Amino acid sequence: QVQLQESGPGLVKPSETLSLTCTVSGDSISSGSYYWGWIRQPPGKGLEWIGSIYYSGSTHYNPSLKSRVTISVDMSKSQFSLKLSSVTAADTAVYYCARQWVGAVSFDYWGQGALVTVSS
Amino acid sequence: DIQMTQSPSSLSASVGDRVTITCQASQDISHYLNWYQQKPGKAPKLLIYDASNLETGVPSRFSGSGSGTDFTFTISSLQPEDIATYYCQQYDTLPSYTFGQGTKLEIE
Repeated sequence: QVQLQESGPGLVKPSETLSLTCTVSGDSISSGSYYWGWIRQPPGKGLEWIGSIYYSGSTHYNPSLKSRVTISVDMSKSQFSLKLSSVTAADTAVYYCARQWVGAVSFDYWGQGALVTVSS
Repeated sequence: DIQMTQSPSSLSASVGDRVTITCQASQDISHYLNWYQQKPGKAPKLLIYDASNLETGVPSRFSGSGSGTDFTFTISSLQPEDIATYYCQQYDTLPSYTFGQGTKLEIE
């Protein structure tokens, strides 16, 4: 059973960097059939794809966030991570990590989500 | 950027009803569309991939169709556990995968 679990601070100050880690179990993060992605959802709003990473380190980022986003992978720990810099209140959201099938670019397994609030 | 427009934004139906949600893309995306179900406080769940393929383990009352710019998601016989918000997601244009704004489904 594939499981993903987000972890990281639930409160970040404006202008600082949001950092989250996703730990994967039940699957190898080096599986060539999948990317590993981050999606967020502001309270009461819809879903926004942030970016995805392949085990090789190849990344795709949402152009609207690209200048502030870095996604990295640590295969030894079976983890991938998100950093979002210069955050504002608009970055307050539930952040999900998910497994992304290369074929249909579908997100087939998701973490439970982590609420990150940007506030001083 | 490709925009995805879902309709309706909310929908009320009775148990046993046939429910249809549409998703329109701002340009041709072939069959590159997925559908998700999200229950309150939970992560989204993949239901349909490649416009019409049912994800393993998903009940057969769920189905999807369409290609190009117009797509349809159908629940053939609404069940109480289907109350959720449904999202479409396109993946035609890399590197941007956009979601529709969602359709909130309620029981009458």
